[in-house]
Amino acid sequence: GAVVSQHPSWVICKSGTSVKIECRSLDFQATTMFWYRQFPKQSLMLMATSNEGSKATYEQGVEKDKFLINHASLTLSTLTVTSAHPEDSSFYICSARRLAGYEQYFGPGTRLTVT
Amino acid sequence: DQQVKQNSPSLSVQEGRISILNCDYTNSMFDYFLWYKKYPAEGPTFLISISSIKDKNEDGRFTVFLNKSAKHLSLHIVPSQPGDSAVYFCAAREVSNYQLIWGAGTKLIIKP
Repeated sequence: GAVVSQHPSWVICKSGTSVKIECRSLDFQATTMFWYRQFPKQSLMLMATSNEGSKATYEQGVEKDKFLINHASLTLSTLTVTSAHPEDSSFYICSARRLAGYEQYFGPGTRLTVT
Repeated sequence: DQQVKQNSPSLSVQEGRISILNCDYTNSMFDYFLWYKKYPAEGPTFLISISSIKDKNEDGRFTVFLNKSAKHLSLHIVPSQPGDSAVYFCAAREVSNYQLIWGAGTKLIIKP
């Protein structure tokens, strides 16, 4: 159990366009979902935490108007990168956690390339 | 200020030997410590965890040791196998908000 999927796994878009990434918990209810970004050779950087039905909490330095997060159900969270620029190119990973759990279950990640 | 530190960016170990990955923390308000393994272009996968009230947890080839007085934990992998080559992250869960604080990762290379 505890499988998390992400879609798409790889996306290439043009500068100025918006891209939506989906994160789904397939076999459990995720009351909290997290979005991370990983730069090459660097650790995971937490971007935001979202609880189902409420607004996401963004980490310092993360633009909430640029990275729109929606967690409308207990199994789905979406991250929309608006007006993407080449510097937004990165590996985006989501994770999900059960209520009061401590483990986070990670999705396989989405490689975003902005040209 | 980094609360969870993995000071070794990489570690090379001979196949069959023991791999020891280290992690230090500076905050006492963590209740769980977790180790994750990550392959390139994939999400991290959970390996093993330990509660702050314990000092050892074992699962097959993986053992995690916690030394609270030294604010130090380590992951032992024995015997090391080629498939263990990956980046290993330690993470600590904050008591107040359940958020995970991540170390920078250690790249483990198992040599045949």
